[in-house]
Amino acid sequence: QLQLQESGPGLVKPSQTLSLTCSVSGGSISSILYYWGWIRQPPGKGLEYIGSIFYSGSTYYNPSLESRITVSVDRSKNQFSLKLNSVTAADTAIYYCARLVYSFYYFDVWGKGTTVTVSS
Amino acid sequence: QSALTQPASVSGSPGQSITISCTGTTTDVGAYEYVSWYQQYPGKAPKLIIYEDVKRPSGVSNRFSGSKSGNTASLTISGLQTEDEADYSCCSYAGSSNLVFGGGTKLTVL
Repeated sequence: QLQLQESGPGLVKPSQTLSLTCSVSGGSISSILYYWGWIRQPPGKGLEYIGSIFYSGSTYYNPSLESRITVSVDRSKNQFSLKLNSVTAADTAIYYCARLVYSFYYFDVWGKGTTVTVSS
Repeated sequence: QSALTQPASVSGSPGQSITISCTGTTTDVGAYEYVSWYQQYPGKAPKLIIYEDVKRPSGVSNRFSGSKSGNTASLTISGLQTEDEADYSCCSYAGSSNLVFGGGTKLTVL
């Protein structure tokens, strides 16, 4: 069945760029039915939508983060990625990638999540 | 946009029913039929349990049900079981392909 796996550095220095990749297995990222999204969860807090991407490269971002984020897709590798620049301690969180059902706006398959700490 | 409002915690005894509310506005919860609910155990990823306000994915117990009235969506768990003890979060479409989550509710089964 479809599986998603996040990967990337667990520690990022303040003001630098956080970069994560989500590898999709058991299915194709090039489906017209789904977007592919990023969600994060700061320690002890609720979930926050970051953004999502269609296989064609069309993106949608959370307006509160839009100025700092870039989501991209690599169909040849069946992967999509997140870059968040100018990070601060407030960006410390568990980052999840997930499949977003297009036009119905729910996440039906999630990765296990990866912890990213922003600290010098 | 602001996060949806959920109670920080709810509790119930085995066999009872509980309801978790999720309050938004006329631009998110009240505007679309796209509220989803997620169950999350400590240290684990969220799991979809309700979508499109009231629909249940295959494999999710029918003890879980969703409803909505105006700007408030609700998740009801009937016949509480100890395994239901977890965090529950709501999420709503907010227009322009944006999504907003609630702050999460910790359910304790006494």
